[in-house]
Formats: sequence, C-alpha cells, structure tokens
Amino acid sequence: AQTVTQSQPEMSVQEAETVTLSCTYDTSESDYYLFWYKQPPSRQMILVIRQEAYKQQNATENRFSVNFQKAAKSFSLKISDSQLGDAAMYFCAYRFRDDKIIFGKGTRLHILP
Amino acid sequence: DVKVTQSSRYLVKRTGEKVFLECVQDMDHENMFWYRQDPGLGLRLIYFSYDVKMKEKGDIPEGYSVSREKKERFSLILESASTNQTSMYLCASSLTLPGQGVDTQYFGPGTRLTVL
Repeated sequence: AQTVTQSQPEMSVQEAETVTLSCTYDTSESDYYLFWYKQPPSRQMILVIRQEAYKQQNATENRFSVNFQKAAKSFSLKISDSQLGDAAMYFCAYRFRDDKIIFGKGTRLHILP
Repeated sequence: DVKVTQSSRYLVKRTGEKVFLECVQDMDHENMFWYRQDPGLGLRLIYFSYDVKMKEKGDIPEGYSVSREKKERFSLILESASTNQTSMYLCASSLTLPGQGVDTQYFGPGTRLTVL
C-alpha cells in the first residue's frame, strides 16, 4: 500500500529566509502524481504545487519549488523568501492514476518576524 | 474560480443525533470527497463519489454514510453521532481529465463538528 511520510511535525523559519519541508512516499508504481497543499490557520486548503512523476523537471510556482527525487521517493518543498502569509500547515500528498489521494500527516510551518 | 462550500463552519451536536454535513461545488466537477482531519493524523478519506448516485468507501467509512443525488451536492451523514466523531470535516471536488485521471482537488472551508 502506498504511504506518505512527513517527518517534521513542526518547523520554523525566519522571515525572508528559505525553508525546505520533507516528504517521502512509498509506492511500487511508476506513473503517479505528487502534491503539496497548504492550509492556513482557519482557512481553506489550497494546492501549492503539483508534480507528475513522469516529468524529470522539478515543478516551480513563484517562490515555491520542489526537489523531486523519484529513485529515492522523495518530494521536498522549498519556500524561498519566506513571508508571514506562508505560515500554515503543509500537506504532502500522492495519487496513482484514478486512485484516491493519500495525504501525509502534515508539517506546521511557523514564520518568525 | 472553483468554489466549494460547506453548510456550516461550526456545528455542535449531541451523542446519538443524526447529523448532516452538506457540500456544494459550482464547477460541474464529477468527483467529490469527504475527509476528516485530526491533529497528528492528517487527512483521512471517509467516502468519495465519481458520479451522481455513485459512492465508494474510503479509509474510514464506519459510522458514516453519504448521498449524492445531484452532481453539485455531496452530503455526509452521521446516523448516530458519537464523541469520537468530533473532528474537522473537509469536502473536496475535482474533475476527471481525459487520459490523466482525477485532477487536483479543491477543498471547502471545513466544518468543525463537536459531539457532546
């Protein structure tokens, strides 16, 4: 069965600094999708970034980028120039084709002013 | 923009009550999902639906049922609420893209349910 592991329950970063959130997953499939979702306090969960496993190039969305290491089954999220609005719970998620999404347990990110 | 709405942000019910949580999406998405979110456990899938009148069990369906009579609406039902069902409930919807499967999920704001 597929699993998603986020080993850092909480992290803190100084405003304007860079932080990397870790995610590893376990699967025997070769074609799948990986996601990072952000859930700000008392607000809606939104998609941050998405990566297709068949693509070698790492996905990037403005200050957010991923380091996708398929062989190592690692999918970390890098946030550059951290801002106060980045404070949130971040969830890593995996989906194989039409199957359901599996979420990690989340990493709570604090931004220190 | 996709909009997913949930009927209540906060709900307090008593043990044994029947509880309805409603979710509506306005983007004609085929797929709808119900999750519960608990500290330290992340999101766990309760039920999902790929089409009207269809439903599939997720990872933790016990104690819950669902109804999808219309494409835009997906209801989660707690037949007899219990204290261990106190949680945050999140609804999500997504499209199915030809050749790519289920697309990105869009989430509602959540309903925080407390069962006393």
